[in-house]
Amino acid sequence: DVKVTQSSRYLVKRTGEKVFLECVQDMDHENMFWYRQDPGLGLRLIYFSYDVKMKEKGDIPEGYSVSREKKERFSLILESASTNQTSMYLCASSPPGGREAFFGQGTRLTVV
Amino acid sequence: QQPVQSPQAVILREGEDAVINCSSSKALYSVHWYRQKHGEAPVFLMILLKGGEQKGHEKISASFNEKKQQSSLYLTASQLSYSGTYFCGTLAPGGTSYGKLTFGQGTILTVHP
Repeated sequence: DVKVTQSSRYLVKRTGEKVFLECVQDMDHENMFWYRQDPGLGLRLIYFSYDVKMKEKGDIPEGYSVSREKKERFSLILESASTNQTSMYLCASSPPGGREAFFGQGTRLTVV
Repeated sequence: QQPVQSPQAVILREGEDAVINCSSSKALYSVHWYRQKHGEAPVFLMILLKGGEQKGHEKISASFNEKKQQSSLYLTASQLSYSGTYFCGTLAPGGTSYGKLTFGQGTILTVHP
């Protein structure tokens, strides 16, 4: 059974903390994505990566960075967490060619 | 820019039909449809490629009009299991290698007995 696994389902962090969200996929996919999901706004792309060490900004990259040191792992970093980054974060992966994307279960992050 | 989905929410009784629309202001290569049940990950339903091909998945089908940059998802004889939030994701020409999808805001579908 193919899987995208996010390290935490729920996280509570304090304002100003550095936060790491981890995502691992077991499908050998080249493409990996981080989305943020907010009510009424749908899924918005933060960053994506199409190869190891390669990354591109999405639509809302401000306040975030990413790291992809290995093909299977894609990390989202909040350099200094703020309350407006309280949200559901979804990781996804897909093979090349614009085919089906597979999503993780999501991490609900609360910044207090 | 995100595609626009309509309606934002729809409530049905079992056996009724529904249509969810997705409209983009940009040229499209393909449209994806996903369903997300409460507390779960979004799950892929189908891809529509240029050419107006209609695809089906159980009693769910979809169409894609690339000239109008619109897609519609048709849910026929709805079942309780169809409840969830439906997202369309659009893929622009030139972005196919990376699979960079831009999602709409979602349509919440609720099916009652």
